[in-house]
Amino acid sequence: GAVVSQHPSRVICKSGTSVKIECRSLDFQATTMFWYRQFPKQSLMLMATSNEGSKATYEQGVEKDKFLINHASLTLSTLTVTSAHPEDSSFYICSARDALRGTSYNEQFFGPGTRLTVL
Amino acid sequence: GENVEQHPSTLSVQEGDSAVIKCTYSDSASNYFPWYKQELGKRPQLIIDIRSNVGEKKDQRIAVTLNKTAKHFSLHITETQPEDSAVYFCAASPEDSGNTPLVFGKGTRLSVIA
Repeated sequence: GAVVSQHPSRVICKSGTSVKIECRSLDFQATTMFWYRQFPKQSLMLMATSNEGSKATYEQGVEKDKFLINHASLTLSTLTVTSAHPEDSSFYICSARDALRGTSYNEQFFGPGTRLTVL
Repeated sequence: GENVEQHPSTLSVQEGDSAVIKCTYSDSASNYFPWYKQELGKRPQLIIDIRSNVGEKKDQRIAVTLNKTAKHFSLHITETQPEDSAVYFCAASPEDSGNTPLVFGKGTRLSVIA
């Protein structure tokens, strides 16, 4: 099956520091990856769509200068939370599509998530 | 853009009973409707999906129905077991260029009481 990994699984940082989260597709190529944020007992809220080799598309209300996304290869996308604050504490999950399945297949495979706690 | 409504937000059933979760969507262009199960602190897991060229799909105790005219789709779990307890999310998207993300419902917390 299609496997997506995320690193780190948990991170605790001080307010004002930056945190980088990696999302990797392990056994398939992903031209498109998606970053979601999930607060406790809430649904997955899309933050941005990450496209390999181009700029990410951010959802309304998501600050692109605060949440930096880089999708430099077909298997890796990174999300950097800059100048993190306690309100950024959340569960961040990425998902990826399998590029070789073609454009008519939209199944997304999720990473295990990263729990960020900002003190 | 797409808007997905999901009901109920919580659902408690006795073990062995059936559970039904319903979702509606707004964008008539949507034609891919997956259902995910998420256990606490874990990733969402795809349990079943349906595309607009079929009205019903079944996989053992799980079934999904789709009514494109009414823009709603439902998840049916029969003979529920305690391990079915989790949060279930429906989602919708068009299957076009593949850059279109899934739009999720708010989730249903299912509790199966032994």
